[in-house]
Amino acid sequence: DGGITQSPKYLFRKEGQNVTLSCEQNLNHDAMYWYRQDPGQGLRLIYYSQIVNDFQKGDIAEGYSVSREKKESFPLTVTSAQKNPTAFYLCASRPQGAGQPQHFGDGTRLSIL
Amino acid sequence: EDKVVQSPLSLVVHEGDTVTLNCSYEVTNFRSLLWYKQEKKAPTFLFMLTSSGIEKKSGRLSSILDKKELSSILNITATQTGDSAIYLCAVHSGNTPLVFGKGTRLSVIA
Repeated sequence: DGGITQSPKYLFRKEGQNVTLSCEQNLNHDAMYWYRQDPGQGLRLIYYSQIVNDFQKGDIAEGYSVSREKKESFPLTVTSAQKNPTAFYLCASRPQGAGQPQHFGDGTRLSIL
Repeated sequence: EDKVVQSPLSLVVHEGDTVTLNCSYEVTNFRSLLWYKQEKKAPTFLFMLTSSGIEKKSGRLSSILDKKELSSILNITATQTGDSAIYLCAVHSGNTPLVFGKGTRLSVIA
């Protein structure tokens, strides 16, 4: 089945630790996105990538980093510089071209220990 | 700066009621407006609207776009407890990623 797989579903981070959230898609989509969702805040864009080896900052990129070495994969690292990382993280992908909706993974819930 | 505003932010109704959710936007170079439903995990796609005045319908859900008023509504008739979710509105403008509103949390009680 085609889709977007995020792992792990739940993740705990210790103070000062970097953690990496995985996002893999087999939909052959060109563009991929990372969002953060906090209660009452909707979805806020962290980073996005429209082609391999290229990515752009979103609205809240500070304290996060990404890579896009393969079309299928867009991992997100939450660094120790992100002081309030507790949130629900959603990965999405979309084919190029107008009129195409984004598809989402099931999310990773990150908490601080 | 592109902006999407949804109202109300939360809503509680009884089964069988009809609800209307609102979404207004201020964006440059509008291309489309999308509605998603989010239960516990991934938002699922409901509708994409690009043309003003044309209603999109799926079962008890329908949506329409008003480009003059820069807004859209999502209607749900004969609500059921399974309609309880966060409904997200997003707008696509130019070549930028989707801009999302804060969502409307709908609770349907039996």
